[in-house]
Amino acid sequence: DTEVTQTPKHLVMGMTNKKSLKCEQHMGHRAMYWYKQKAKKPPELMFVYSYEKLSINESVPSRFSPECPNSSLLNLHLHALQPEDSALYLCASSHGGQGFGETQYFGPGTRLLVL
Amino acid sequence: DQQVKQNSPSLSVQEGRISILNCDYTNSMFDYFLWYKKYPAEGPTFLISISSIKDKNEDGRFTVFLNKSAKHLSLHIVPSQPGDSAVYFCAAMNSGGYQKVTFGIGTKLQVIP
Repeated sequence: DTEVTQTPKHLVMGMTNKKSLKCEQHMGHRAMYWYKQKAKKPPELMFVYSYEKLSINESVPSRFSPECPNSSLLNLHLHALQPEDSALYLCASSHGGQGFGETQYFGPGTRLLVL
Repeated sequence: DQQVKQNSPSLSVQEGRISILNCDYTNSMFDYFLWYKKYPAEGPTFLISISSIKDKNEDGRFTVFLNKSAKHLSLHIVPSQPGDSAVYFCAAMNSGGYQKVTFGIGTKLQVIP
């Protein structure tokens, strides 16, 4: 089973709203990722959690706040977003070990529209 | 600076023929390469990978070739099927680092029945 689930599938929010995106995996993976993908562009890494600790923040604005409550769950809290933040937000996970090269498995994404 | 380049935005192939998708990279630290397939409104699906210690990896209809000296890899799909129609992303990583994957811009493959 290589399933990563994400909720909600679609989200519309105003610029003053607070919302959260959720991601879950039950593969025993210890690394989890948030990516942002704009139309006709490749996915861009936002955050990496390794063993529930934030290991990479790709200079993401503070209006995006990640959280990893446990090894299976990853949240992305959204506050005071801008219309240009509208995109597909993808979650991924990987084994998280120190081995050579790890495949990341992606969820279906949350399509976010900021009005 | 685009470190992973997919110079063909689209490709059309007849069903049953070979599809060849190309990818070039500039970062010599990359040592693990992946291909993902993506349908509209879905997340990328892992297809096949190759490490820099190999020059070929095969999985069913999919074969990836790596030419390290040219910093070039390609994905061959034989035979191509209509269900293969999707966007294909080439991706690369430096496994000595923090598992950061760098994606190319994607190639849209259309397999014509």
